[in-house]
Amino acid sequence: ETGVTQTPRHLVMGMTNKKSLKCEQHLGHNAMYWYKQSAKKPLELMFVYNFKEQTENNSVPSRFSPECPNSSHLFLHLHTLQPEDSALYLCASSQAVRGVGTDTQYFGPGTRLTVL
Amino acid sequence: AQKVTQAQTEISVVEKEDVTLDCVYETRDTTYYLFWYKQPPSGELVFLIRRNSFDEQNEISGRYSWNFQKSTSSFNFTITASQVVDSAVYFCALSEPTQGGSEKLVFGKGTKLTVNP
Repeated sequence: ETGVTQTPRHLVMGMTNKKSLKCEQHLGHNAMYWYKQSAKKPLELMFVYNFKEQTENNSVPSRFSPECPNSSHLFLHLHTLQPEDSALYLCASSQAVRGVGTDTQYFGPGTRLTVL
Repeated sequence: AQKVTQAQTEISVVEKEDVTLDCVYETRDTTYYLFWYKQPPSGELVFLIRRNSFDEQNEISGRYSWNFQKSTSSFNFTITASQVVDSAVYFCALSEPTQGGSEKLVFGKGTKLTVNP
């Protein structure tokens, strides 16, 4: 595997289900991100992890719970979602060299989530 | 707060035509980075270019070229001799520091480019 991978690619869940999205990066990066892309809004950042620590939560509802056990893996745990949470969830990673400008984020293919 | 505007929602061209995608940004930062990403139907965002605010040189990569003009806060993207495989949604993005000390990308709404044979 190369780059950033995400599983599953498609997910359909009911509002009472619990599911998890997985992201894995094979680039040796230290920062990982979750973005949400819905039909009516621009891509929006949800969470950022730098060196396994959460450094950004963009006012995301608690029904979304991220987990970053190591610099290569990122999860998004989903619980009691709403139909409006249906979207493409994109994971990204970057080198995150501290104190040195903005590095480039590389994205995975996304998980297309449908909440019924 | 930073803002990125891609005024062209959809563009349709015929193969071999040149096409320019516009991007206008707003920021109060003196140091910032601009990006272009391509999103084909598969969904993955493919990185195309990163440009920092101190480098106004235009860049060319094969059929792709970028025109960065700080005076007009624009970072336009031109595809020369377009091909069907260029059909995708193209996003312009601007870096923004976060309160947590990270950097995040502020994206425009994207321009959907369709290249017809």
